[in-house]
Amino acid sequence: AQSVAQPEDQVNVAEGNPLTVKCTYSVSGNPYLFWYVQYPNRGLQFLLKYITGDNLVKGSYGFEAEFNKSQTSFHLKKPSALVSDSALYFCAVRAAYNFNKFYFGSGTKLNVKP
Amino acid sequence: DSGVTQTPKHLITATGQRVTLRCSPRSGDLSVYWYQQSLDQGLQFLIQYYNGEERAKGNILERFSAQQFPDLHSELNLSSLELGDSALYFCASSVEFGIAITDTQYFGPGTRLTVL
Repeated sequence: AQSVAQPEDQVNVAEGNPLTVKCTYSVSGNPYLFWYVQYPNRGLQFLLKYITGDNLVKGSYGFEAEFNKSQTSFHLKKPSALVSDSALYFCAVRAAYNFNKFYFGSGTKLNVKP
Repeated sequence: DSGVTQTPKHLITATGQRVTLRCSPRSGDLSVYWYQQSLDQGLQFLIQYYNGEERAKGNILERFSAQQFPDLHSELNLSSLELGDSALYFCASSVEFGIAITDTQYFGPGTRLTVL
């Protein structure tokens, strides 16, 4: 089955520390990979994407993600977390050969404590 | 403000009824996506339109339909509503030239549908 897994419901990190939000995917063929962030009362925002090329993708607000084909992962990272990064993060995968196949993970709540 | 507008913001209706959700994309964006977010199902991709034509279809029920009009606004029609259809429905838009899906998506604030 094609899907996305975010193994952690919640990630807690202290402000100033690096953060990682994990995502693994399963899709036939080449994947298009995305991260979205959902802030309370502010709706959903597109954060970054991997389509092709450099495995390290840089996005908004200092976030980056690394595509690892052998491990079928696309973990979201940030070198130094801010309290304002606290939000719900969603990973998504879309099959390059079939745009109908567009799946989201269950979300990871990131808590950054001062 | 993303530039994507959705109306209404809240909608309360009864089972068996039909509702229409409306989305206006950002100026210049040709592609519109619809998503459903519920506690049971999480975040799901429903359907995508590009310049008036259906581009991709995800987990959209047969009771649901959508269209994109010549002015590029889109409507999502939900009929024979059930309690389980209660959810937050998001619309997003992106520029997208030709077959590319590489453009950033901008999300609207969502419509919260409550079916009683």
